[in-house]
Amino acid sequence: AQKITQTQPGMFVQEKEAVTLDCTYDTSDPSYGLFWYKQPSSGEMIFLIYQGSYDQQNATEGRYSLNFQKARKSANLVISASQLGDSAMYFCAMREKGGSGAGSYQLTFGKGTKLSVIP
Amino acid sequence: DAGVIQSPRHEVTEMGQEVTLRCKPISGHDYLFWYRQTMMRGLELLIYFNNNVPIDDSGMPEDRFSAKMPNASFSTLKIQPSEPRDSAVYFCASSLWGTTQETQYFGPGTRLLVL
Repeated sequence: AQKITQTQPGMFVQEKEAVTLDCTYDTSDPSYGLFWYKQPSSGEMIFLIYQGSYDQQNATEGRYSLNFQKARKSANLVISASQLGDSAMYFCAMREKGGSGAGSYQLTFGKGTKLSVIP
Repeated sequence: DAGVIQSPRHEVTEMGQEVTLRCKPISGHDYLFWYRQTMMRGLELLIYFNNNVPIDDSGMPEDRFSAKMPNASFSTLKIQPSEPRDSAVYFCASSLWGTTQETQYFGPGTRLLVL
């Protein structure tokens, strides 16, 4: 089974509108972290936002917020007031802590969602 | 602060040639990761280091791939001999253990094309 599922290969959003990018995950580890990265056409991977499995509040970073529903194992990214520069691939990723000490640091990525912002 | 630095940014080589990709992590970070990104397989972890020691290389596709980290500020990923199926974008990332998020910060990537 896939650990990270992003069901939307592509999304369109009108400029200045909000958009939600879906991400569901699968883990039996009680301690994990969820990340969203943005990859514009230039290719770099840009960290956007993080949600820890024990965090009580949904994470927010500027126009980005994470709709974390632990029981449903979903961590959807919400981008408010979309801008043309938001057009990019967006990747959801999970890190499971695994065992004791430093644990496992492997990030597992979803396939990504290509977001296109329409002027 | 300087981010993760990778070189070269682009590499075009012929099948059978040796390719060396280089990475300088963010100063002070103690974890370093090498990823490969292709259309077919997405982003895959190849290997990661902690304090210069390889921890998990189970993602390295085959013996043609090797990675080293001789010191805290430098790592290499070598492919010898290279094959066309190695064409991909190779990312290096680093992180610092013990911080709340332990976020991995990525370099700009090296686009490798093997002809």
